[in-house]
Amino acid sequence: GIQVEQSPPDLILQEGANSTLRCNFSDSVNNLQWFHQNPWGQLINLFYIPSGTKQNGRLSATTVATERYSLLYISSSQTTDSGVYFCAVEDWAGGFKTIFGAGTRLFVKA
Amino acid sequence: EAGVTQFPSHSVIEKGQTVTLRCDPISGHDNLYWYRRVMGKEIKFLLHFVKESKQDESGMPNNRFLAERTGGTYSTLKVQPAELEDSGVYFCASSPGGGTRDRGPVEQYFGPGTRLTVT
Repeated sequence: GIQVEQSPPDLILQEGANSTLRCNFSDSVNNLQWFHQNPWGQLINLFYIPSGTKQNGRLSATTVATERYSLLYISSSQTTDSGVYFCAVEDWAGGFKTIFGAGTRLFVKA
Repeated sequence: EAGVTQFPSHSVIEKGQTVTLRCDPISGHDNLYWYRRVMGKEIKFLLHFVKESKQDESGMPNNRFLAERTGGTYSTLKVQPAELEDSGVYFCASSPGGGTRDRGPVEQYFGPGTRLTVT
C-alpha cells in the first residue's frame, strides 16, 4: 500500500515564526488532505488539496502530485497553532481507505 | 448544515466491558469511515461503509470489534469485550459520492472523535 511520510516529526517554534511541514507519499494518490489535531484530540480539516495551491489565512498548502509531495506553510505562528498536523491520502488500491502519515507535532512558544 | 457527529465524546469503561460508539454522518453522504488513533500512534483506518454495505473492513483489528450501519444512515462501532489496548480516540468520517472509482476524489469530513479509555 501507499506509504506516507511526514517531516519533521517534531517542531518547536517561537510565536511569530514561519514554518513548512512536508508530506511525501510513495505512489500516485487520488486525494490529499491536511488536518490539525488540537490539544483536545479533535481533527480539524485544513485543506483538501489533491493538487495545486490553496490559502486560508495564515495557512497555505501546495501539492505537487507528479512529484508525490505536499507542503503545508504556517506563517506568523500563534500558540493556538500547537498540536499535531496530519497529512492523509486516499488509497484506491483496495477500496477507499485513507492512509495517514505519522504527523508533525508542533509546539509554539509564547 | 450539521457536520459529522459522534457520541459519546468520552467514555471510560473497565476491561471486559462493552462499549458502543455512534456516528451520524453528514446527511446524504453515502460513504462512512471509522478510524482510530491509539496512544502515540498513527491514525489507522478501520472500515468503510457505502450506504449499509461494508466496502472495506480490512483495518478492523479483531473480532471484538463490530460495526454496523443499518439503513445506511448512522453507524455504530461496538467493542466487546474491551481491552486496555483499545484505549484511544475513535474518529468517524463521511464523504459524498458512490462506492466506485468513477466518483472521483472527494473530501472526507471528520467528526470530533470519541475518546475511549479502558481501565
